[in-house]
Amino acid sequence: GAVVSQHPSWVICKSGTSVKIECRSLDFQATTMFWYRQFPKQSLMLMATSNEGSKATYEQGVEKDKFLINHASLTLSTLTVTSAHPEDSSFYICSARDTLAGGAGETQYFGPGTRLLVL
Amino acid sequence: GESVGLHLPTLSVQEGDNSIINCAYSNSASDYFIWYKQESGKGPQFIIDIRSNMDKRQGQRVTVLLNKTVKHLSLQIAATQPGDSAVYFCAGDGQGGKLIFGQGTELSVKP
Repeated sequence: GAVVSQHPSWVICKSGTSVKIECRSLDFQATTMFWYRQFPKQSLMLMATSNEGSKATYEQGVEKDKFLINHASLTLSTLTVTSAHPEDSSFYICSARDTLAGGAGETQYFGPGTRLLVL
Repeated sequence: GESVGLHLPTLSVQEGDNSIINCAYSNSASDYFIWYKQESGKGPQFIIDIRSNMDKRQGQRVTVLLNKTVKHLSLQIAATQPGDSAVYFCAGDGQGGKLIFGQGTELSVKP
């Protein structure tokens, strides 16, 4: 149980293009999902909190117009990197919390990550 | 401020030995902590969690210890195996359901 998938697992794109990454909770409902990015040999950095049916909450320093988040259903959140540039190259990871988990609802289950390379 | 940090960035152990990975936190309001394992190129994998009303919790080959007095968390892995080689992160709950991650400790298991 508590499986989170991401698609694609890796993507290479040209500078200036937009890239959409999907995050799905496969066997549970997730009112809240989170998007992180991770650089090599570093910890996870929270980018934003995605809430089903409402606007995402972005962390300080994260451009909401560049990293568009849509959480249209209880099992799907998408992150779109708009006009991607080489400095956006990173490992993007999503996580989801089980809405119905009750006392264990704080646990975040992570997807496998998406490696983005912008040329 | 909120922070969760780790004492050591790397740890090398002999196969079969026990491993201890440490973590310090500063937010006294955190009442839930998780250990994750991240293998190269993959997302973090849940290992074990503990609430602040406990000081010890055991899983399969893993034990988490929580010392609230000194705000310290540790992960013990018994009979470490090559498959345990990974980066281990501790995380504590923060405001709004967020998790605050530590820097990570890279565990290397020597055969």
